Amino acid sequence: SAVISQKPSRDICQRGTSLTIQCQVDSQVTMMFWYRQQPGQSLTLIATANQGSEATYESGFVIDKFPISRPNLTFSTLTVSNMSPEDSSIYLCSVGGETGRNTEAFFGQGTRLTVV
Amino acid sequence: DAKTTQPTSMDCAEGRAANLPCNHSTISGNEYVYWYRQIHSQGPQYIIHGLKNNETNEMASLIITEDRKSSTLILPHATLRDTAVYYCIVRANRDDKIIFGKGTRLHILP
Repeated sequence: SAVISQKPSRDICQRGTSLTIQCQVDSQVTMMFWYRQQPGQSLTLIATANQGSEATYESGFVIDKFPISRPNLTFSTLTVSNMSPEDSSIYLCSVGGETGRNTEAFFGQGTRLTVV
Repeated sequence: DAKTTQPTSMDCAEGRAANLPCNHSTISGNEYVYWYRQIHSQGPQYIIHGLKNNETNEMASLIITEDRKSSTLILPHATLRDTAVYYCIVRANRDDKIIFGKGTRLHILP
């Protein structure tokens, strides 16, 4: 499987500021996803990062709060905007499985965000 | 919403088989059962998947009931490193997005 590099691995940010998280994959992939994992909780899908077009957001998530870029088939960014302490979570990038390549979905190690 | 139901937590003695159940009574005929696990401070990791036949790989076995309404993930000889949250997921194919339920927190006891 490909390797995901997610940066930063952790950060502490002031409320009201924004943080951009980068996800780099070492091979071209079709589907990329962003998840949030709040403390002690399961993973929640934020959006599908579509290459060359706007991301597809899940219910409860909006572009103004979580703008996503996907400029090519190996890279995506997630921005957490105007942060509040409630945004303190782990944010994970995921590469989707591909039937054509017989590969399964896999995940980066995540970005641990603390908002103070 | 997740289409599966799992126990919140389970304990298993080291060296014994860990059997993790999952109910998916509304599964469609074309949907697979997938299992992932998340070890503390890591991203989720794929374990195994199946449609209707039992499956085995180097990590685990998956037993799916004949009516496909439930399944069991079996870790044949659990070690302390198997302590993790295990997620049972139903999806039509590997290209689909993954919607996680609450999972089962498995504690392997020394």
